[in-house]
Amino acid sequence: GDSVTQMEGPVTLSEEAFLTINCTYTATGYPSLFWYVQYPGEGLQLLLKATKADDKGSNKGFEATYRKETTSFHLEKGSVQVSDSAVYFCALPLAGGTSYGKLTFGQGTILTVHP
Amino acid sequence: DAGVTQSPTHLIKTRGQQVTLRCSPKSGHDTVSWYQQALGQGPQFIFQYYEEEERQRGNFPDRFSGHQFPNYSSELNVNALLLGDSALYLCASSLGQGYQPQHFGDGTRLSIL
Repeated sequence: GDSVTQMEGPVTLSEEAFLTINCTYTATGYPSLFWYVQYPGEGLQLLLKATKADDKGSNKGFEATYRKETTSFHLEKGSVQVSDSAVYFCALPLAGGTSYGKLTFGQGTILTVHP
Repeated sequence: DAGVTQSPTHLIKTRGQQVTLRCSPKSGHDTVSWYQQALGQGPQFIFQYYEEEERQRGNFPDRFSGHQFPNYSSELNVNALLLGDSALYLCASSLGQGYQPQHFGDGTRLSIL
């Protein structure tokens, strides 16, 4: 079935470092792909999205490119800030659902940025 | 403009009890989805309500049920609580049964003793 796999283990960086969080997916067809962010004590917020292959989603300095050849949607940011500390989830809509509905999420990657 | 609001924020129950969680969608939204997020895991889809009917369901037992009211608000009911039901329960709302991005509430933390 459709699924998402994120890199395991928390990520700890110093401020202004480069960030990559890996995400690969298994899906029928070419669904939309999403990155969500969860700040401490809060719900999830949509960070960025890509709706078709080779699309690049971007928001708040974060970018991710929909790569159908490698079935990947890695999240990157050139210079992280302390305020980026959060949990990041890769997600896609399950087959048989609508383009944004019935989401399946990866297990999440905890990002901690130190000053 | 209020976003998605959930109540209560925290809840403690014992095994075998029943619980009801509530969600008010973002203004203008008509679709509500519920997710269960266990500690250290990603959210798992429970079900989605649109036009007061359950439209899609994830892999959850019948102990999990829901309701949507005419004002689009929703309730999640869980019967015969198990220790494994301890989790953060997230409500998400959207417009038009999932053809627009979902907006999430801050969740209800349910602890089962």
